[in-house]
Amino acid sequence: KQEVTQIPAALSVPEGENLVLNCSFTDSAIYNLQWFRQDPGKGLTSLLLIQSSQREQTSGRLNASLDKSSGRSTLYIAASQPGDSATYLCAVPRSNDYKLSFGAGTTVTVRA
Amino acid sequence: KAGVTQTPRYLIKTRGQQVTLSCSPISGHRSVSWYQQTPGQGLQFLFEYFSETQRNKGNFPGRFSGRQFSNSRSEMNVSTLELGDSALYLCASALGTEAFFGQGTRLTVV
Repeated sequence: KQEVTQIPAALSVPEGENLVLNCSFTDSAIYNLQWFRQDPGKGLTSLLLIQSSQREQTSGRLNASLDKSSGRSTLYIAASQPGDSATYLCAVPRSNDYKLSFGAGTTVTVRA
Repeated sequence: KAGVTQTPRYLIKTRGQQVTLSCSPISGHRSVSWYQQTPGQGLQFLFEYFSETQRNKGNFPGRFSGRQFSNSRSEMNVSTLELGDSALYLCASALGTEAFFGQGTRLTVV
């Protein structure tokens, strides 16, 4: 059974600081890994999808890395802004189907 | 391109009642999955439908059921509601294995 862990559970930083969010998974035979953002009471917004054959993926100020052999992914958010305050979740599908296993998330607060 | 649409956004039901939630996937997506999110348990997989067939099912009691129509729209039904069913129910549609989520339906059971 795939278990996904996210550390830390919460993070508070001043505006402008870079954010580093960690995700680890127990079964390295993953198909891909997806990072999501969730605002309070809202749905999940897809941020980045990294295929198992990729080492990293970038979108604007976001960069996600993937190390399958060690079962880890890291999401970097450069030059954080108050609007980045949200909960960030990582998820991996079981094999190549659509059942996602989620971490508990990291709740980020960016102080102005 | 329209995203995943879930209706209704909010629901208040009484214990013992039943409820039906609806999800319209992104056009062209044939896979629809449902998840329950609670503060204590996080996001938990309920079931997944592909071309009107249930392909995967999570560890939820039989009170939770679903179906998918020929246009890929999906419904989830919960019968004999319990207080513990209060949660945010999220629907996701997928193309390949990238999932796109709707805004969710907040169900409160009183």
